[in-house]
Amino acid sequence: AQRVTQPEKLLSVFKGAPVELKCNYSYSGSPELFWYVQYSRQRLQLLLRHISRESIKGFTADLNKGETSFHLKKPFAQEEDSAMYYCALSGNAGGTSYGKLTFGQGTILTVHP
Amino acid sequence: NAGVMQNPRHLVRRRGQEARLRCSPMKGHSHVYWYRQLPEEGLKFMVYLQKENIIDESGMPKERFSAEFPKEGPSILRIQQVVRGDSAAYFCASSPGPRGRNTIYFGEGSWLTVV
Repeated sequence: AQRVTQPEKLLSVFKGAPVELKCNYSYSGSPELFWYVQYSRQRLQLLLRHISRESIKGFTADLNKGETSFHLKKPFAQEEDSAMYYCALSGNAGGTSYGKLTFGQGTILTVHP
Repeated sequence: NAGVMQNPRHLVRRRGQEARLRCSPMKGHSHVYWYRQLPEEGLKFMVYLQKENIIDESGMPKERFSAEFPKEGPSILRIQQVVRGDSAAYFCASSPGPRGRNTIYFGEGSWLTVV
């Protein structure tokens, strides 16, 4: 069974501080990992996918297969980063259920001025 | 491209009534997914449809819930005889196809409240 765990429901930091949102996963094969962001009652937007190895809005995430983690990091948080962040896993990348994602419970990030 | 469109955005139903949620995928997308977000929980996969076919409904409750994606028109998630526990946000997503590195795009969600 595949599972995604985001241990922190709430995370508060001050503007300019580093931020790390934790994500651990459980999957027996080779998963594809994503981070989605949801601003207040808006649609989920794809922030990052591990295969792209890119940086979006200053955020990066590295897949650590040894620790089965995909933590999201940003060195200097901004107030506009305040949102709900979801880590998600696709266990059938390239297969017939690509859009079938398993989501973590989400972390609400609040960046204080 | 208008993106994935969901309506209604907010729906209030009394217990026992039916709820119909609509999803129009992005232009050119023929694959639709429905997810449910219960209060205080993450999103849970419900069903994956292609035009006129249900591909994976492993996340659908066995009773009262059904989904369709007809040849013409939007995908519809139908909940019969709603109960308070059905109150949730229902998100639709679409993709152009299942294979390769396609990204799925989410709609803004439909918030169902059962009173």
